[in-house]
Amino acid sequence: GEDVEQSLFLSVREGDSSVINCTYTDSSSTYLYWYKQEPGAGLQLLTYIFSNMDMKQDQRLTVLLNKKDKHLSLRIADTQTGDSAIYFCAESKRNTGKLIFGQGTTLQVKP
Amino acid sequence: DAGVIQSPRHEVTEMGQEVTLRCKPISGHDYLFWYRQTMMRGLELLIYFNNNVPIDDSGMPEDRFSAKMPNASFSTLKIQPSEPRDSAVYFCASSLISGAQGYTFGSGTRLTVV
Repeated sequence: GEDVEQSLFLSVREGDSSVINCTYTDSSSTYLYWYKQEPGAGLQLLTYIFSNMDMKQDQRLTVLLNKKDKHLSLRIADTQTGDSAIYFCAESKRNTGKLIFGQGTTLQVKP
Repeated sequence: DAGVIQSPRHEVTEMGQEVTLRCKPISGHDYLFWYRQTMMRGLELLIYFNNNVPIDDSGMPEDRFSAKMPNASFSTLKIQPSEPRDSAVYFCASSLISGAQGYTFGSGTRLTVV
């Protein structure tokens, strides 16, 4: 199938690390993505990782990819209240231009 | 570039009326996508175009929905007649064929059908 699965909700305290997990199905996906959606806004590309990489770091964000288990994670270090949003994982479908999105994880950051 | 531009931002209409949502993709992007987002169903792909040609419309819920892309800089999603269950946020997104940068989304149109 084409399912991308994410847990629906995560709550953390400000200053802690957040880890959002995702599993995908297509082992031939070229790229995997994380998008962020703030209330009332569209989805914004946060970061992406090429399928031949295991890890990508970008300031407070760390993406880990386990191709064997088809598992993707997003770690946000020193989580801030401004990080409260819905985070979507997505995989690219080879040769289609199409992305398959997960259902989104709502991250709640408590002060 | 101003990004993907959608209009209107909000639309309130009565059941049975025709609704037209508009999208201007980023210049030079090959793909254009229409999504619908609701609390119950999450983000659903309705239809997408490659070089103005519809590629996959299997997500279009029923014949009341239609989408066109008459040229590379404009697309419409039309609902006729509209029903209360069509109430949702409709997003347009565009991308390059290489896909490395993923999609760029518009800000969405919040549709309420009363």
